[in-house]
Amino acid sequence: KAGVTQTPRYLIKTRGQQVTLSCSPISGHRSVSWYQQTPGQGLQFLFEYFSETQRNKGNFPGRFSGRQFSNSRSEMNVSTLELGDSALYLCASSLASGYSYEQYFGPGTRLTVT
Amino acid sequence: DQQVKQNSPSLSVQEGRISILNCDYTNSMFDYFLWYKKYPAEGPTFLISISSIKDKNEDGRFTVFLNKSAKHLSLHIVPSQPGDSAVYFCAASPNTGKLIFGQGTTLQVKP
Repeated sequence: KAGVTQTPRYLIKTRGQQVTLSCSPISGHRSVSWYQQTPGQGLQFLFEYFSETQRNKGNFPGRFSGRQFSNSRSEMNVSTLELGDSALYLCASSLASGYSYEQYFGPGTRLTVT
Repeated sequence: DQQVKQNSPSLSVQEGRISILNCDYTNSMFDYFLWYKKYPAEGPTFLISISSIKDKNEDGRFTVFLNKSAKHLSLHIVPSQPGDSAVYFCAASPNTGKLIFGQGTTLQVKP
């Protein structure tokens, strides 16, 4: 079974621009979560989508948004990029059923804002 | 407010010996705990998990112990192998799709 895929793997943007990152979950997984990893803050939860609905949200500004499509694929958008948005953005998928909350991560998208 | 803490930034052990990685949490609403292994520029790899109704879970060389009264969990790797060298993250979930991660512990296993 294929793992979580994320595109693009690397991205360089300029301050003020916007960016869209894509994530394809493991087949059969209905939940997709997004995380930001930076050296100073570690791994921080952005939001979770389940059945096309945002189910959980972290403490990030409204410039960070996402959506999920009917095939469970998800996109994350960051508008008006700031230098501090430079990070590794990770997507994780989960079955989200029963009493199991294992999340399986993709390789990440490395975003650099200049 | 760091709800999940890994107080040891690094750990070095000899190949074949036991590695013990520790994690403390503050929120009693957490009811599911996970350990991940991460290499630079890659996504975390799921290792093992435990629910709050258990105090131990084993999977091969990896065992996770949970002490709810102390709000403490640990990951034991026996025997440690050089390929285990990586950053290890513990994570906690309050019964949702949100994981809260510790800051990570860098494990080095020396041959």
